[in-house]
Amino acid sequence: DAGVIQSPRHEVTEMGQEVTLRCKPISGHDYLFWYRQTMMRGLELLIYFNNNVPIDDSGMPEDRFSAKMPNASFSTLKIQPSEPRDSAVYFCASSLIRGAGYNEQFFGPGTRLTVL
Amino acid sequence: AQSVSQHNHHVILSEAASLELGCNYSYGGTVNLFWYVQYPGQHLQLLLKYFSGDPLVKGIKGFEAEFIKSKFSFNLRKPSVQWSDTAEYFCAVNARGGSYIPTFGRGTSLIVHP
Repeated sequence: DAGVIQSPRHEVTEMGQEVTLRCKPISGHDYLFWYRQTMMRGLELLIYFNNNVPIDDSGMPEDRFSAKMPNASFSTLKIQPSEPRDSAVYFCASSLIRGAGYNEQFFGPGTRLTVL
Repeated sequence: AQSVSQHNHHVILSEAASLELGCNYSYGGTVNLFWYVQYPGQHLQLLLKYFSGDPLVKGIKGFEAEFIKSKFSFNLRKPSVQWSDTAEYFCAVNARGGSYIPTFGRGTSLIVHP
């Protein structure tokens, strides 16, 4: 398996532009997570899906952020409009829930977003 | 809801020194525990995990962690660090029978000088 795939790996954009980050989870995994990592705030969970359904989006910072999972093999995180404070590394992770709540997460390589 | 506390935010060691990174969690029930490592410029990857059985867990690259239930702790150890261990280390916990979503600590940055 190729692991969790994210694109693009790097994104540089100007304030006000729309940004779309993409994620392909590991085949067969039933949970998908979006995280944001910054020096100041560490690793933050933004939203997660179970079987393509958004379960908890309480970590999404503002209405400018939205996420979708149209099918089991694809998810997007969109920021519209983007702001300089959105600059961070965004990770996607997937997992498969097994007995006793075993939930090892597999992370993608991340997208480093810079908003100028 | 569970929470995770990593007391050491930054640790600097010389090669061959021993390492212990602290991790405490708050949750009254049964938990699964994880340590993840993030090498510079890379993504998080699993270092070791505990679900049940022997509370002393062996991981990759000579790392181990000990689950002490009475102390709600899951400290990470390595007897002799190498320069290549320079990375960010994250402790995570998820509660059994509750949310399957792990809670991550803030992370500990380890720098090993050659």
